[in-house]
Order: sequence, then structure tokens, then C-alpha cells
Amino acid sequence: DIQMTQSPSSLSASVGDRVTITCRASQSISSSLNWYQQKLRTAPKVLIYGASRLQSGVPSRFSGSRSGTDFTLTISSLQPEDFATYYCQQSYTTPYTFGQGTKLEIK
Amino acid sequence: QVQLVQSGAEVKKPGASVKVSCKASGYSFIDYDFTWVRQAPGQGLEWMGWISPYNGYTNYAPKLQGRFTMTTDTSTSTAYMELTGLRSDDTAIYYCAKNTNPNSPFRYFDNWGQGTLVTVSS
Repeated sequence: DIQMTQSPSSLSASVGDRVTITCRASQSISSSLNWYQQKLRTAPKVLIYGASRLQSGVPSRFSGSRSGTDFTLTISSLQPEDFATYYCQQSYTTPYTFGQGTKLEIK
Repeated sequence: QVQLVQSGAEVKKPGASVKVSCKASGYSFIDYDFTWVRQAPGQGLEWMGWISPYNGYTNYAPKLQGRFTMTTDTSTSTAYMELTGLRSDDTAIYYCAKNTNPNSPFRYFDNWGQGTLVTVSS
């Protein structure tokens, strides 16, 4: 199975901050990397697909990038509604695997 | 608009089976695959498998193979998952999710059900 390693596992930040979350794949997955946001007690929601493509309806402060097997989710200016847990997920090959999650909390 | 509505919470004893449904509306059911994902209390997301309503093709996570079955009923636009031989570590919220167009190079889960809590306890 492809292992997805996210860092950090938790992060404290303030409204207006720029935040970066990283996900590293254990082998090449091309650009088959998706990012999801999950708020407490709700289903996940896709933010970014194909490493860097913004899902329709998602604010442009969210962006994604790839460098080899390293992937980054960036939130350019944190808003109150962005405090949630974020997961990366590879869709290169089954079993599709998720990172362990990054919990973004208010400082 | 796309909606996925799952069945209600279940409490089961160890060794029992559970079947969860996911009723779809707002799009052509047969044209998009379904994925099942689960989340144990306080834990991350675990991919369980996917099924094609078009031809019934399935792809299961190896660790669940033999205990986990996905099916669809195209007459009611409903997907089902069944897990047998339940153990305490199967306690989780189970989500169904609609996949993107199978002809797209980008495979991800663009609509999700609300989740179904399955509790396994003696």
C-alpha cells in the first residue's frame, strides 16, 4: 500500500495567517492527490483534486502544489470557517489511502 | 442537486452483521461509482472500497476482503455496504461517497452521505 504521511499533525494559527500543510507519498503517485476538509461531526468535503486543481465553489485562498512525491496545501489567509481537520488522499492506485490528518486550531 | 442519504445508526453485538444503505438522487446513478469510507472515533479516514453501479465491478481494501460486500440497486438508486463478523474495532462512522466521472483522469469523491454510526458492543 502507498503510505501518505502528513505534517504537522496539528497546527495552531490565527485568522489572517498563511498556513501550509504537507503530505508525502511513499512512492510516486504522479499528481493523483486530493485534499479534503472535515469539520466536526460532518462529512469530508473536497477542496483540491489532481494536486493543484481547485474544486468548484471552493474559495481561492485554498491552493495546492506538488514537488515530486511531496504535496502542499496552502491557505493564504485563514478565515474563521477554515478551522477544521485536513486530509490528503492518493487516488493513484488502490487501496486509495489517506494521510492521518492535520487538525487546524485557533491560536 | 446531488444528495446521498444514508440509513440510521446501528448498534450490533460482536460477530453480527450490519448493512448500511445510501440512497442517491439528483444525478444519473448508473454513471458514477460509489466509494465507502469509514472513520473510527477520533481517528482518520479509511478507504474501504468502490463499486460501479453500471456493471457491479468492485474493488475492496485487502484488509476487509472476505468480510465486506458492496452492492447497488439501480431500480432504487441505492448503494449498500454489508460488514460481517463485526468486531469492536469496526465501531466507526461509515460514509458513502460519489466518485467523479470514471472517464475523468481525476478520481476523487465529490459528494458524500451524512454518515452512519455503527457501534459494535456486547
